[in-house]
Amino acid sequence: EDQVTQSPEALRLQEGESSSLNCSYTVSGLRGLFWYRQDPGKGPEFLFTLYSAGEEKEKERLKATLTKKESFLHITAPKPEDSATYLCAVQVLYSGNTGKLIFGQGTTLQVKP
Amino acid sequence: ETGVTQTPRHLVMGMTNKKSLKCEQHLGHNAMYWYKQSAKKPLELMFVYSLEERVENNSVPSRFSPECPNSSHLFLHLHTLQPEDSALYLCASSQDSSSGNTIYFGEGSWLTVV
Repeated sequence: EDQVTQSPEALRLQEGESSSLNCSYTVSGLRGLFWYRQDPGKGPEFLFTLYSAGEEKEKERLKATLTKKESFLHITAPKPEDSATYLCAVQVLYSGNTGKLIFGQGTTLQVKP
Repeated sequence: ETGVTQTPRHLVMGMTNKKSLKCEQHLGHNAMYWYKQSAKKPLELMFVYSLEERVENNSVPSRFSPECPNSSHLFLHLHTLQPEDSALYLCASSQDSSSGNTIYFGEGSWLTVV
């Protein structure tokens, strides 16, 4: 069964304290791994797509990496405005060539000033 | 203006009511989706439409009825819902429904069934 697990469930950091969020997955055929940011009461905001092991992408203080079994979202010197829930999703083939996103539970990050 | 717009943002309905959620995308995409986000659960796919045709119905109860009149608009018609259907309903779109495409979400419609 396709499965996505994110850890930790919640993370509290001091401003400037770097850390990493983990997304481990077990799927029959990975078509892409996506990271989203979700603020309370809002829809998920797209951050990154990774397609193959070894791939890395960066955006401001965020860097996403991918291996064959997991992805990491590294947050360097976070600021309070980085506080949000970070969602990981893997895309698999659903039917024919239709893709389907399977989401993890998310990691809720709180950055204190 | 955001790429995917949902209305209403909040909805409270009784179990015998009939209501609809509306979604419009301004990205020129050909695929649209409904996802459900319940408390303490991961987002789950409900429906996929590609070029106005339903591609998949992810075993969703018939009290949820989708409608896609064109590639820019998507509706979710609701009737005889249960309290456990209270959740955030998210509309999304992508260039097409094939794998590898990035899916962009709207802000969601918060539904409370009383």
